[in-house]
Amino acid sequence: AQSVTQLDSHVSVSEGTPVLLRCNYSSSYSPSLFWYVQHPNKGLQLLLKYTSAATLVKGINGFEAEFKKSETSFHLTKPSAHMSDAAEYFCVVSDQGASGGSYIPTFGRGTSLIVHP
Amino acid sequence: EAQVTQNPRYLITVTGKKLTVTCSQNMNHEYMSWYRQDPGLGLRQIYYSMNVEVTDKGDVPEGYKVSRKEKRNFPLILESPSPNQTSLYFCASSTGGAFGYYGYTFGSGTRLTVV
Repeated sequence: AQSVTQLDSHVSVSEGTPVLLRCNYSSSYSPSLFWYVQHPNKGLQLLLKYTSAATLVKGINGFEAEFKKSETSFHLTKPSAHMSDAAEYFCVVSDQGASGGSYIPTFGRGTSLIVHP
Repeated sequence: EAQVTQNPRYLITVTGKKLTVTCSQNMNHEYMSWYRQDPGLGLRQIYYSMNVEVTDKGDVPEGYKVSRKEKRNFPLILESPSPNQTSLYFCASSTGGAFGYYGYTFGSGTRLTVV
């Protein structure tokens, strides 16, 4: 069975400093991994995705994530935080499962990013 | 504009009064799903549908029903709502019949309060 753990429920940074949101996953098959962002009172928006191509994935708004199979991690980073980055971030894993059927995703519990002026 | 539309955005209802939350997508996606979001628990899948007339339970299906009579619509039905179903609900859709390669498009959410 697949699972995903977001290691921090809250991360607080100052504007202009780097952002690191940590995600570890467990999967018995070749997983696909995603990061979503949810701004207050909004739906979820896809930031980036890894689907077995390049291990360093670039997303929207300057975010990127690196797939590290040996560490079973998919941490989200950004060189310089902006006030508009304050939101909830979700790491998601999905794999084909034993049956080789369609991918069913599992969501992490979310990390709240707080950006101070 | 490609989108998933949920209605209503906000709903307050009383225990036991049947309600339906509608979800419609205009992208011809095969795969649709309902999630509920609760503080500290992230998103939990209620039901999903691989295509028309094909639905299956997610992680927390108790107290909910769904139907998929048309490709674009995937309503969520609460036959007898209870206060523990107070939550933020999201509908999502995806193409290719599989979430893995394309990701979801999410609706804006429905905030349901059951008193």
